[in-house]
Amino acid sequence: DTGVSQDPRHKITKRGQNVTFRCDPISEHNRLYWYRQTLGQGPEFLTYFQNEAQLEKSRLLSDRFSAERPKGSFSTLEIQRTEQGDSAMYLCASSFGQENSPLHFGNGTRLTVT
Amino acid sequence: QQPVQSPQAVILREGEDAVINCSSSKALYSVHWYRQKHGEAPVFLMILLKGGEQKGHEKISASFNEKKQQSSLYLTASQLSYSGTYFCGTEVGRGSTLGRLYFGRGTQLTVWP
Repeated sequence: DTGVSQDPRHKITKRGQNVTFRCDPISEHNRLYWYRQTLGQGPEFLTYFQNEAQLEKSRLLSDRFSAERPKGSFSTLEIQRTEQGDSAMYLCASSFGQENSPLHFGNGTRLTVT
Repeated sequence: QQPVQSPQAVILREGEDAVINCSSSKALYSVHWYRQKHGEAPVFLMILLKGGEQKGHEKISASFNEKKQQSSLYLTASQLSYSGTYFCGTEVGRGSTLGRLYFGRGTQLTVWP
């Protein structure tokens, strides 16, 4: 179990640029989640996958956000035309998707939009 | 659907006890508890399912009152390593929504020697 890994750890971008983050879940896990966390807040759900299928997308997620999980392995989260309000920690988590299955979080990607 | 946690912050001396509460306006299927240290990922502590109670660690336990849609996390004889922000995550459904959590704003716990 090598844990959930996310890349990059930090990303600084200018407003209007596109950014892409990658998440590699624990290999045995079929569920993958993306959360966003801002200072002083708990993680906020964005979207999740069961294998390669995207099952739910938060209403908070604008059309500028898109996520993929090709082949049910790693996932990418892309933000187009970034805005300053997108600055946050983006957390990826994975699980077995069963009762008693905890979420295993990665260390996150901290995005700063200037 | 975000649960409400209380208190927002707790300061303890090593060896003291603390209780963190989590309440929801929605009927809950399960409650998850996580601890997050500064700059690190949230780490799983325990899950409480509807109809049951589960202890995840030696001196950290939790309860789940389904009727009141509340859960409490009990930390006894606190250690320095307990410092961090504690989050409850609530699950309102089963099946396809399993694992989709709504997190509270967190309770910041500080333990002093």
